[in-house]
This record gives sequence, C-alpha cells and structure tokens, in this order.
Amino acid sequence: EVQLVESGGGLVQPGGSLRLSCAASGFTFSSYWMSWVRQAPGKGLEWVANIKQDGSEKYYVDSVKGRFIISRDNAKNSLYLQMNSLRVEDTAIYYCARWYNWNDYYFDYWGQGTLGTVSS
Amino acid sequence: DIQMTQSPSSLSASVGDRVTITCRASQTISSYLNWYQQKPGKAPKLLIYAASSLQSGVPSRFSGSGSGTDFTLTISSLQPEDFATYYCQQSYSTPYSFGQGTKLEIK
Repeated sequence: EVQLVESGGGLVQPGGSLRLSCAASGFTFSSYWMSWVRQAPGKGLEWVANIKQDGSEKYYVDSVKGRFIISRDNAKNSLYLQMNSLRVEDTAIYYCARWYNWNDYYFDYWGQGTLGTVSS
Repeated sequence: DIQMTQSPSSLSASVGDRVTITCRASQTISSYLNWYQQKPGKAPKLLIYAASSLQSGVPSRFSGSGSGTDFTLTISSLQPEDFATYYCQQSYSTPYSFGQGTKLEIK
C-alpha cells in the first residue's frame, strides 16, 4: 500500500523558515517524480514544486521561486521542502504527492498534509 | 501560464441525480486533464486522468470527456458519498494549474 506521511509543519513568523518532510513507503520511491501541492485555508489547490527521480530536474510555481527548495533522499525514501523567507500568504496545508510521469501525467497518491502557518 | 476555469462553482443536487461539471482551459491542453475529489479535512483523490481514463478503484458512475480546451466530469447517479468538492487540473505544462473547484452539495 502506497503511503505518504508529511511532517514539519508549524507556526513561524514572516521571514522565517520551515522544512517539511514526506516519508514514502509501499512503492519504489526512486522510480517516481514527486511533488508538493498546497491549499490555503478554505481555498483551492495550488501546485508548488516537482522533482525528478534522481533530483536532476526541479520545477516551481513562480510565487515560490528563489524561496523554496524541493529535494529528496532516495536512500531514505524521503521528500523535502525547504521554505525560506516565508510570507503570510504561504500559510497552507502542504501535501506531498506522487507524480505519475509516463505518457500520462497526474498526482496519483497524496499524503494527509501538514499545516504551515505564517503569522506574527 | 494556463488558467483553468470550472463551472459551476457550487451545485446542489439529490441522490440519484446525473451531474455534470465543466472545466475550460485558457489554451489547448490536448487530453492532459485530470479530475480530483476532495472531502472536508481529507487529501484530494484522483478520479479521472487523461481526460477520460478512470483511476483504478473509482466507481464507474464517474466519467470524463473532452479534449483541447473543454472538458466535463459526469456523475451518472449521485450517491451520498459523492458530495464533495471537485477539481480539474491540467498536466500539459508547468505550472500545473487547478480549477477553482466545484462544491457539490446535497439538495
């Protein structure tokens, strides 16, 4: 059974940093692209970043470029999101998701999410 | 960037009804269109990928159609567990944008 479990959320002041983690199990982690998707309270879904199987390619939504860094450790079956220079508008539930990337492209499994709150 | 627009934003329907939700892309995306269901307090769940392919384990009352810029999600006979928010998402190019969501409520 595929499982994705996020951790690392919490309360941080504007300008601060948070590092989110996602522990993957039930599949060969190193064979899949992985993603972060966020959802502000009461709002819709927003794709944040993707990373290739070996970490050689990374893509970000414009609003987080230069502030967030997606990374992975295939030996630990883990995905990360380093969030720096945080803004109030980054407050959201952050979901780790597996990105299916062969001929068709979609988020096929999601974690339960971790809440990051940016507030003074 | 590709903008995704869903309609309606909310919808009231009854158990047994046939429901259709529409998603329009701001430019052609071929069939790179996915649909997700999200229930309150839960993660989204993939229903349909590549516009019309049913994800494994999803009931056959869900179906998708369309290509280019116009797409639909149809639920043939609403069940109580189908009341949720539905999102379309394009996977044609980054940023992989979502529609604003359609909240399906019980009439």
